[in-house]
Amino acid sequence: DGGITQSPKYLFRKEGQNVTLSCEQNLNHDAMYWYRQDPGQGLRLIYYSQIVNDFQKGDIAEGYSVSREKKESFPLTVTSAQKNPTAFYLCASSIGQTSRETQYFGPGTRLLVL
Amino acid sequence: AQKITQTQPGMFVQEKEAVTLDCTYDTSDQSYGLFWYKQPSSGEMIFLIYQGSYDEQNATEGRYSLNFQKARKSANLVISASQLGDSAMYFCAMREGLSITSYDKVIFGPGTSLSVIP
Repeated sequence: DGGITQSPKYLFRKEGQNVTLSCEQNLNHDAMYWYRQDPGQGLRLIYYSQIVNDFQKGDIAEGYSVSREKKESFPLTVTSAQKNPTAFYLCASSIGQTSRETQYFGPGTRLLVL
Repeated sequence: AQKITQTQPGMFVQEKEAVTLDCTYDTSDQSYGLFWYKQPSSGEMIFLIYQGSYDEQNATEGRYSLNFQKARKSANLVISASQLGDSAMYFCAMREGLSITSYDKVIFGPGTSLSVIP
């Protein structure tokens, strides 16, 4: 079955710690995205990548970093510079980036600060 | 300025009845796409339906249909014959532009919570 997987489902971060959220897709999609969702709110774009070895900042990139070394993988690191990381993180992918192309989402990772 | 407005923070519908979830959008582009997603309590965003700005007919996918009124910049989701499993958050989203060389991000609305009553 083709789809997007995210791990872990729940992640706990201690103060000052960097943590990495995994996102893998086997849909052969070129574009991948990371969103943050806070309780009762919509999605905000953190980073996106159009192709391998290329990525761009979204609306709330501060305190986050990404890499895109393989087409299938787009991990997100939440650094210690992100002072309020508690949120639900969603990874998505799409074939390309025109207005007709749908983004498909993974199941998400809930990040909590201890 | 908010580009996607969903004015109904919460909605209730009786099982087997139809329900309409409102979405209005703001864009100056002629080419854009409109999407609806469902987010159950598990958190995953599930794609429901797509409408292109140049599509002449309203989109339909099973029990979901999109009432697209371009002049009013409205893209309401209609769910027919509601089921208990339809209880979830519903997000309207828009992507502007047709460029394949530059990124036109997807903008999400704040969502509407739908509760289906047995």
